[in-house]
Amino acid sequence: SQELEQSPQSLIVQEGKNLTINCTSSKTLYGLYWYKQKYGEGLIFLMMLQKGGEEKSHEKITAKLDEKKQQSSLHITASQPSHAGIYLCGAAGGGSSNTGKLIFGQGTTLQVKP
Amino acid sequence: DTGVSQDPRHKITKRGQNVTFRCDPISEHNRLYWYRQTLGQGPEFLTYFQNEAQLEKSRLLSDRFSAERPKGSFSTLEIQRTEQGDSAMYLCASSQRRGGEETQYFGPGTRLLVL
Repeated sequence: SQELEQSPQSLIVQEGKNLTINCTSSKTLYGLYWYKQKYGEGLIFLMMLQKGGEEKSHEKITAKLDEKKQQSSLHITASQPSHAGIYLCGAAGGGSSNTGKLIFGQGTTLQVKP
Repeated sequence: DTGVSQDPRHKITKRGQNVTFRCDPISEHNRLYWYRQTLGQGPEFLTYFQNEAQLEKSRLLSDRFSAERPKGSFSTLEIQRTEQGDSAMYLCASSQRRGGEETQYFGPGTRLLVL
């Protein structure tokens, strides 16, 4: 079965600093999703990547999927306290194009110090 | 703009009691998912529906768990004879598959505490 490993597990950065979160899959990724979660709340969709080498940006967050489609990174530029939360990567499960279920990494907790 | 809603947001129950959670998806979405999340972990898939048909169930979903989506709109997740190990956040998500692409939008979750 597919597994996702996120690193680091937690991160504390000073406001204004850049940071990167990584997500590594045990199998080829057919769709990689990034979500953000505030403690005790639901997940907020950030971005989805499908093609090898794809890169997407939204505001100060950039996500990339490597050419081999087994690793993704999420980069935040000039972090702000509003970026604090838990970042989760999720993969379309089983490698099937029809199964929509997502398999998630364990999450990366980000704290941004003002 | 109505997103996915879940009710209740919090539930405290005693071991052995039955509980039922409700999820209302985004109206035009035909797929509905249930996940369970414990502290410090990512969500784990439980089951999903396409319209009213339940297409897949995880091995995590013991026979004490049952889910329904009777008219292809809202869904309920029932846990019978709750155990302390059932304490978790139960998340619902909905999606509409288009052209091979699908994005799941999550509700706020129902936090269950079994005493």
